[in-house]
Amino acid sequence: DAKTTQPPSMDCAEGRAANLPCNHSTISGNEYVYWYRQIHSQGPQYIIHGLKNNETNEMASLIITEDRKSSTLILPHATLRDTAVYYCIVRVNAAGNKLTFGGGTRVLVKP
Amino acid sequence: GAVVSQHPSWVICKSGTSVKIECRSLDFQATTMFWYRQFPKQSLMLMATSNEGSKATYEQGVEKDKFLINHASLTLSTLTVTSAHPEDSSFYICSARTVGDSNEKLFFGSGTQLSVL
Repeated sequence: DAKTTQPPSMDCAEGRAANLPCNHSTISGNEYVYWYRQIHSQGPQYIIHGLKNNETNEMASLIITEDRKSSTLILPHATLRDTAVYYCIVRVNAAGNKLTFGGGTRVLVKP
Repeated sequence: GAVVSQHPSWVICKSGTSVKIECRSLDFQATTMFWYRQFPKQSLMLMATSNEGSKATYEQGVEKDKFLINHASLTLSTLTVTSAHPEDSSFYICSARTVGDSNEKLFFGSGTQLSVL
């Protein structure tokens, strides 16, 4: 699986949009971009994933650049409960293929 | 999303004893489950891939005789930490994959905090 680079930490104001960047310059054509988050002392939670097109669900939006070398996860209206470590992972979408976690971004949402 | 149940959520044991952790997929069948370990303020490290009906595949550096994995059914995988020592104290997390619409997601259990005295 390709490596990803994320800032180690960022702060965000409650109620504002949080934009979390991720670089994956060595991504292959068949690798998807996945985002998970981990709230303290819990298992990771799936957020969203995509291949080429931008994606949106009830939790977040995923913006992938045209060359697919980077992406941005957008939390539209951050709440205190969004404080967590956010992991960007690129992965071939194949049966049984594992998720390899990098360092992630520690996001602190402040009142 | 799919529910993965992990039990127990925390356990304290004496050095030299064995501890079993269960991972169940509650509303789907999981042919493959993954076991991770996480030390404080570190990322998740994959320990092994558990396949139903066959032997687990362990990551480099993980002792298969110490971390026994059994995946006897499509909804249950167990991790047994044998002869636990204080350095085995960690947060253990399982995950299981679901398949639908040609996309594949992994869902995670809530984790088990193991403390070995």
